[in-house]
Amino acid sequence: QQQVRQSSQSLTVWEGETAILNCSYENSAFDYFPWYQQFPGEGPALLIAIRSVSDKKEDGRFTIFFNKREKNLSLHIKDSQPGDSATYFCAAKAGSALGRLHFGAGTQLIVIP
Amino acid sequence: DTTVKQNPRYKLARVGKPVNLICSQTMNHDTMYWYQKKPNQAPKLLLFYYDKILNREADTFEKFQSSRPNNSFCSLYIGSAGLEYSAMYLCASSREGTGGKEQYFGPGTRLTVL
Repeated sequence: QQQVRQSSQSLTVWEGETAILNCSYENSAFDYFPWYQQFPGEGPALLIAIRSVSDKKEDGRFTIFFNKREKNLSLHIKDSQPGDSATYFCAAKAGSALGRLHFGAGTQLIVIP
Repeated sequence: DTTVKQNPRYKLARVGKPVNLICSQTMNHDTMYWYQKKPNQAPKLLLFYYDKILNREADTFEKFQSSRPNNSFCSLYIGSAGLEYSAMYLCASSREGTGGKEQYFGPGTRLTVL
């Protein structure tokens, strides 16, 4: 059973637009939500993360909006650049679960110049 | 250095033959993980070592073996490869015991079973 779902397999935006990547989860025990960015030929790398006590986390052009009641979150990439073209994985972890990150299937973002 | 290394990057195997994949990290992380990634699917956790203790997921328990001879190295072993094992295998490491907990990933090994 897929515990973390990403609503879009792919997303295409124009340079300068805000890209919005959506994610939802099943398990109410999840309290840590990292987003990973993966470029071709590389492994996923942590981009930004949020804990369930917060509803927003911002880091430069990247912002996570978190809705605990609805069990969903979104990653907003403001002023998208061609260099942001990558696959983005939403993940979730329960604080008590040693090491176990549950991943979504990823959204491939394409930013057109 | 936050690098996780994986060898080989590409592996071709015959059905029924064994496969051994290698991962290394020099961050002194206490936990090392192996994930399987197939196209359009989420990375699936296969197993992980917390220090010297191996934890295997219930649905992959019998399919994969692993060893961790020291803190830096971890292997993933498939005794008899089947076509369904064709996938990208991602290794990751983290420091679970003392906080932080970010998982650092290697570039992956693409396994093709013929």
